[in-house]
Amino acid sequence: ELKVEQNPLFLSMQEGKNYTIYCNYSTTSDRLYWYRQDPGKSLESLFVLLSNGAVKQEGRLMASLDTKARLSTLHITAAVHDLSATYFCAVVQYSGGGADGLTFGKGTHLIIQP
Amino acid sequence: DTGVSQNPRHKITKRGQNVTFRCDPISEHNRLYWYRQTLGQGPEFLTYFQNEAQLEKSRLLSDRFSAERPKGSFSTLEIQRTEQGDSAMYLCASSLAGVSPLHFGNGTRLTVT
Repeated sequence: ELKVEQNPLFLSMQEGKNYTIYCNYSTTSDRLYWYRQDPGKSLESLFVLLSNGAVKQEGRLMASLDTKARLSTLHITAAVHDLSATYFCAVVQYSGGGADGLTFGKGTHLIIQP
Repeated sequence: DTGVSQNPRHKITKRGQNVTFRCDPISEHNRLYWYRQTLGQGPEFLTYFQNEAQLEKSRLLSDRFSAERPKGSFSTLEIQRTEQGDSAMYLCASSLAGVSPLHFGNGTRLTVT
């Protein structure tokens, strides 16, 4: 059974600082997604990572994927308050029929303080 | 608005009652997914459809849960004989087949009293 673990689960940081969220997964997969969720809202897609060594960047967020280590990172550069949210990584689970739904981590609740 | 639409937004029901939720996906998307999310957790995969075919349903939480997508467009998720443990946010998502990301709706929040 595919397990997806994120750490930390909770992170409070100051504006202007850098930090990295880690996502480990337990079985082979070649697709990993990062989502953002604001309180009371639904999930917003941030990045799709499709191959080993993939790196995507959008603004102050950069995501990478190492399929050999089964590890993805989400790096935050010079954090600003608007990035406060819960961040989820999700990995494709495969069955005999092909790709099934995504298995999500528990999320990293990020608070960025002025 | 051409996003994923879910109705109702909130549902309060008494234990033992049946409930049904509706999801209207993005029109050109052929895949439709149902997830459950409880407080402080990530979404938990329940089932998905490609067009009208339900390709995975073994992870529906019990035989009280069922889903349909009769014409390959909208979908319904039914929970029979609701229990307090069913209280959660039920999320629907749609996508194109392949690597495109899932687009989530705003969810239906179920409270079982």
